[in-house]
Amino acid sequence: DTAVSQTPKYLVTQMGNDKSIKCEQNLGHDTMYWYKQDSKKFLKIMFSYNNKELIINETVPNRFSPKSPDKAHLNLHINSLELGDSAVYFCASSQGVEAFFGQGTRLTVV
Amino acid sequence: GEDVEQSLFLSVREGDSSVINCTYTDSSSTYLYWYKQEPGAGLQLLTYIFSNMDMKQDQRLTVLLNKKDKHLSLRIADTQTGDSAIYFCAESGNQGGKLIFGQGTELSVKP
Repeated sequence: DTAVSQTPKYLVTQMGNDKSIKCEQNLGHDTMYWYKQDSKKFLKIMFSYNNKELIINETVPNRFSPKSPDKAHLNLHINSLELGDSAVYFCASSQGVEAFFGQGTRLTVV
Repeated sequence: GEDVEQSLFLSVREGDSSVINCTYTDSSSTYLYWYKQEPGAGLQLLTYIFSNMDMKQDQRLTVLLNKKDKHLSLRIADTQTGDSAIYFCAESGNQGGKLIFGQGTELSVKP
C-alpha cells in the first residue's frame, strides 16, 4: 500500500497549457507539501498545507495554485505552463519529525 | 539565509566504507536528515538525528553531527552496488517537513 501517491508519474504538455498533479496520502498526516526538483537535482519546497490550510508559500509564481480538498489530498494546478516549469514535482506528508515523499511527477513542457 | 552544502560526487569500491559530508548554516536547525534517491525514484528517508545528539547508528549507517562546526556526515559500512544513488542531506526546524536540502551527493559503487 503506497503511503504517498502522486498521479500522473509522467506529464508531457505544451507551453501555455494548464495541468494538474494529484497527491494523496494514507498515513493520516496533518501536513502535506509540494517540492520541486530541477534538472540539477536541487530540491526546494514550494508549498505546505496543514489540515487543509496553507502555511508555507515559498515565493512561487501565482500560476501555481495548490488545492487541498481534505487533509489526505493536496493537488497542484499549474496555469499557462512555461518551459522553465519542467522539473520533477514531489508531494510529501509529515506528522512530526519524519516526512515521507511520493515517487514524483516528471513534468516536461515542450 | 539557510544553506546546506554537499560535495557532488563520491566513488568507492564495493565493500569499502563511504562517508558523505554535509555542512549547514542554520544554527537553529532542530533535525538533520539523510535521504536516498535512486534513479527515477522518490526520496527515501534513511535516518535523521536530533540536534542535541552527536551520533546515531542504524545497522550499516552511522550519522555523526558536529554542531559547533555545523557538519553532518553519513557513513555507510560495507558499501554495496545497491547503495549507488544520490544522497541528500537536509535540515529543518521544529516542523519536520519543511526541509532545506543540499545539492545531493551522487554515490557510485564500483564492483
